[in-house]
Amino acid sequence: DAGVTQSPTHLIKTRGQQVTLRCSPKSGHDTVSWYQQALGQGPQFIFQYYEEEERQRGNFPDRFSGHQFPNYSSELNVNALLLGDSALYLCASSWGTGITDTQYFGPGTRLTVL
Amino acid sequence: AQKITQTQPGMFVQEKEAVTLDCTYDTSDPSYGLFWYKQPSSGEMIFLIYQGSYDQQNATEGRYSLNFQKARKSANLVISASQLGDSAMYFCAMREGLTGGGNKLTFGTGTQLKVEL
Repeated sequence: DAGVTQSPTHLIKTRGQQVTLRCSPKSGHDTVSWYQQALGQGPQFIFQYYEEEERQRGNFPDRFSGHQFPNYSSELNVNALLLGDSALYLCASSWGTGITDTQYFGPGTRLTVL
Repeated sequence: AQKITQTQPGMFVQEKEAVTLDCTYDTSDPSYGLFWYKQPSSGEMIFLIYQGSYDQQNATEGRYSLNFQKARKSANLVISASQLGDSAMYFCAMREGLTGGGNKLTFGTGTQLKVEL
């Protein structure tokens, strides 16, 4: 049973550049959520995709955008990178969007912005 | 106010001993879920245990149990018979059902657990 996978594992970019992170959900899951985890902090919710639509969004600027594909995989795009965007980006998947639906996380993509 | 508070930045426990990691939460939503995740140094968040606000009994999963005290708004994680592999960061998280929280997870700041021989 394949778990949540993310690519790439590490990424180094410079300020002002754009980046795309990818996530494939756990087998049987249809909902993907993205979180940003700065060093020494708990993860912060960015947004969630279900049925190829953004269903919920956290307190992140429009520079952060995403997409979900028909096979439920998802991308997170960040434009005009800032130094403060350096973080571990975690993708989580679940089956459905209900309150009891447990989210399972991938290994994350570590983004460094120089 | 912080929605999830973890007051123990770091904890030490002897191997084979039990340890309790504290978590308090703040919500006015009558329907919510509480989760604990483990994050080893590799970075992946590993789901441990879930407790629903309407659950009558405390959740248990193997060596993990959740001491849920609804009136005190606390959801402490108890790890029995600690093992060296339990050394990791532990996060408490909440999902609120009705008051605009949707099903996003709100995390605490975590507790770093170190299991010693």
